[in-house]
Amino acid sequence: SQQGEEDPQALSIQEGENATMNCSYKTSINNLQWYRQNSGRGLVHLILIRSNEREKHSGRLRVTLDTSKKSSSLLITASRAADTASYFCATFEGAGSYQLTFGKGTKLSVIP
Amino acid sequence: DAGVTQSPTHLIKTRGQQVTLRCSPISGHKSVSWYQQVLGQGPQFIFQYYEKEERGRGNFPDRFSARQFPNYSSELNVNALLLGDSALYLCASSPGLAVSYEQYFGPGTRLTVT
Repeated sequence: SQQGEEDPQALSIQEGENATMNCSYKTSINNLQWYRQNSGRGLVHLILIRSNEREKHSGRLRVTLDTSKKSSSLLITASRAADTASYFCATFEGAGSYQLTFGKGTKLSVIP
Repeated sequence: DAGVTQSPTHLIKTRGQQVTLRCSPISGHKSVSWYQQVLGQGPQFIFQYYEKEERGRGNFPDRFSARQFPNYSSELNVNALLLGDSALYLCASSPGLAVSYEQYFGPGTRLTVT
């Protein structure tokens, strides 16, 4: 079953603009991860944020986590055409769990 | 260093047949997980193997099975294929048992069942 729900399902922006994607989840988590997938191929890990962290940065990426609202957001600043991809959030619940639970993803299109 | 590799890249099978998909993890990684991704959806967890033992199983029927070899490579087997098994099958590896760290994904095997 899907744990996270990304919003919006699809997003189209101009190159240079910022892109924000949101993820909501249902259960308590140990950490939340964001992945990128190009053209239905393998996923690439972008960033991991732990349940005791509120914000994390990596290059042009900024992730926030609000455990009280069970939600996270991924901000990509100064987007490029190469950022065109599907973005997924994935949650890890913690001890006793052996899986990442993915959302349905946000399809981002960056127009040159 | 080579990343996670999967074979074959594409596969077409007929309903009722059996299929075997293969995965080689990154060198030194002992954990392999399998995911199924249906078009338009996120990946769904099937299995995790660590040190040749099954450590986790998702909500999939017994037609799905897997194993891990002494060199940590893995095979996913699906018997009695159904049309609904058509999907991208992804393999991911990580250094240790816990999936609390990032997973390294292979390019996937696209299975089409006709």
